Amino acid sequence: DAKTTQPPSMDCAEGRAANLPCNHSTISGNEYVYWYRQIHSQGPQYIIHGLKNNETNEMASLIITEDRKSSTLILPHATLRDTAVYYCIVRVVFNDYKLSFGAGTTVTVRA
Amino acid sequence: GAGVSQSPSNKVTEKGKDVELRCDPISGHTALYWYRQSLGQGLEFLIYFQGNSAPDKSGLPSDRFSAERTGGSVSTLTIQRTQQEDSAVYLCASSSWGQTDPRNEQFFGPGTRLTVL
Repeated sequence: DAKTTQPPSMDCAEGRAANLPCNHSTISGNEYVYWYRQIHSQGPQYIIHGLKNNETNEMASLIITEDRKSSTLILPHATLRDTAVYYCIVRVVFNDYKLSFGAGTTVTVRA
Repeated sequence: GAGVSQSPSNKVTEKGKDVELRCDPISGHTALYWYRQSLGQGLEFLIYFQGNSAPDKSGLPSDRFSAERTGGSVSTLTIQRTQQEDSAVYLCASSSWGQTDPRNEQFFGPGTRLTVL
């Protein structure tokens, strides 16, 4: 997604928190931040989304800066199964049904 | 079923042959989407169905590509006279499109890996 920038890769130790950054400095007021991941040989999987408040679900937490120009996805206790490509995108709900991912961040969780 | 299923999981074909890829969406999902993902590339939208109608076919790369959906359920993506550049993973997703659902979350199948020799 050309509206977001992410580091190409990062390593994380198993059991530790993984913090994945995303910059979206041109985000519009009606755009949400979405995170997906894609485990090797599987389809993309929705993780979490948010507008301006921090969000948490059973998979992860999403921290959005007050100016909404960046966000961080937190995997609180990374496991080997969390090794995947993580995609951060911005989209207007209802209208943006065409998902489009860029290169994302390849996260490797090491034992 | 519990999730989106696609078949076949892998398809190897010769250049010039026609192929059909099948998608079974989650039961009750009215919206269905086809995407493709080439090696090292991002996700590319192909077509969107709402019920049996396709209001958005803008992503189909050429007239060799077509798709249909019957009974508001199963969808088939057909590629005629395949070319080597058609080699990719073809992903199908479905969702319960509704204006009261702010997520419009798309659930993806495992994909069909197409290799054109």
